[in-house]
Amino acid sequence: EPEVTQTPSHQVTQMGQEVILRCVPISNHLYFYWYRQILGQKVEFLVSFYNNEISEKSEIFDDQFSVERPDGSNFTLKIRSTKLEDSAMYFCASSTTGGEYNEQFFGPGTRLTVL
Amino acid sequence: EDKVVQSPLSLVVHEGDTVTLNCSYEVTNFRSLLWYKQEKKAPTFLFMLTSSGIEKKSGRLSSILDKKELFSILNITATQTGDSAIYLCAFPGNTPLVFGKGTRLSVIA
Repeated sequence: EPEVTQTPSHQVTQMGQEVILRCVPISNHLYFYWYRQILGQKVEFLVSFYNNEISEKSEIFDDQFSVERPDGSNFTLKIRSTKLEDSAMYFCASSTTGGEYNEQFFGPGTRLTVL
Repeated sequence: EDKVVQSPLSLVVHEGDTVTLNCSYEVTNFRSLLWYKQEKKAPTFLFMLTSSGIEKKSGRLSSILDKKELFSILNITATQTGDSAIYLCAFPGNTPLVFGKGTRLSVIA
C-alpha cells in the first residue's frame, strides 16, 4: 500500500542552525501539508501546498519557514535559524484532493530536537 | 474561532471493556469530521463522517455524528491492548485539518 515517507526520523540540531525535513508524498497525490506536534500538545497545521505554491499557511508558518518541491517526488520543509521552541514532531501529509472531503495520509514524522 | 473539545482527556480500561470517546465542536462551515488514531508516530485515518445519524463501522470501531447537537462519538468494543493510542478528531478547514487535543486511551491486560 502506498505511503508517505519522511526522512530523517530524528534530527538533533544546535539552536541557530538550519534544518531541512524531507517528505515523499504518495505519488498520485496533489496536495501536500506540513503539521507539527510539540510534545504533549495537539497537532497543528503549518502549511499546505498545491500546484507548486503555498495554498494556505498558519500563523506559525512565518519567515523562518519555507517549503519547496524541488523535484517530482520530494516535498521539503526548511527551518532557518532554529529555536528551542521549534523542537517538535513534524508530520508531512498528502491527499488526492483538497477541500472538505480530502482524506489526508500522514507520514511517520520527523522528531526535531533543537539544543 | 473554531473549537474542538474531546473528552475524556485520558481513559484507562481493561481488555474487553467498551469505551466511548467524545468529540464536540463549534466549527464554522462544517463539512466533515475525521477520526484519527495516533500511536507512537503519525495519525492514521479511521473514519470520515459527513452526515448525521449514519454509523460508520470498521471491525470493533464505530462512529456516528450528530450535526444538530454538534458532536461525534467513537466507540470501541472488546478493547485490546493494541487499541492503546491517542484518538483525535479533526475538521478540514479549507484544506488543513484542525485537530482536537485527543483522548489518550490505555488498555491494560
